[in-house]
Amino acid sequence: EIVLTQSPATLSLSPGERATLSCRASQSVSSYLAWYQQKPGQAPRLLIYDASNRATGIPARFSGSGSGTDFTLTISSLEPEDFAVYYCQQRSNWQAFTFGPGTKVDIK
Amino acid sequence: QVQLVQSGAEVKKPGASVKVSCKASGYTFTSYGISWVRQAPGQGLEWMGWISAYNGNTNYAQKLQGRVTMTTDTSTSTAYMELRSLRSDDTAVYYCARLGRDGYNFDYWGQGTLVTVSS
Repeated sequence: EIVLTQSPATLSLSPGERATLSCRASQSVSSYLAWYQQKPGQAPRLLIYDASNRATGIPARFSGSGSGTDFTLTISSLEPEDFAVYYCQQRSNWQAFTFGPGTKVDIK
Repeated sequence: QVQLVQSGAEVKKPGASVKVSCKASGYTFTSYGISWVRQAPGQGLEWMGWISAYNGNTNYAQKLQGRVTMTTDTSTSTAYMELRSLRSDDTAVYYCARLGRDGYNFDYWGQGTLVTVSS
């Protein structure tokens, strides 16, 4: 099973600052990595798929990069509504999916 | 617009079973797979398995093999997830999610169904 680790566990930033979140896979997942945002009491929302493609309706301040085992989600300038938990996710060749443990972005 | 609407909250006793439904609309149901993901209180996301709405093929997380069954009813565009032999650590919000076109991510999610297992 491919294990995803995310860092940091918590990121404390102010609105307007840049957020950089990391996701590392225990073995290569090529570019098949997605990022989700989850706010309290809500379902997750797809932000980025295939490592760098923004999902429908996602603002341009969200960007993804990376391939193989190391991936990054960047929020260029945090808006108040961006404070949330972010998860990365991958699918293995055996059609099994795993999520990372999440990074919480909170207000400094 | 794509919508996944799940059934309401459930309270079950240990050892019982629960069946959660997920009604899809706004797209051709048989063209996409459906996955189930759960989230225990205060915890992260756990993938449970997926089902092809086209042919009913399934793949379950190893941890849940033997206790979970996923099915679909194409006549009503509804997916179901049944979990048996419930334990207290099955208490969680259960989400259905549509597999994206390439099958590698989840592009639309249901609102979640809270299942509480308590004696």
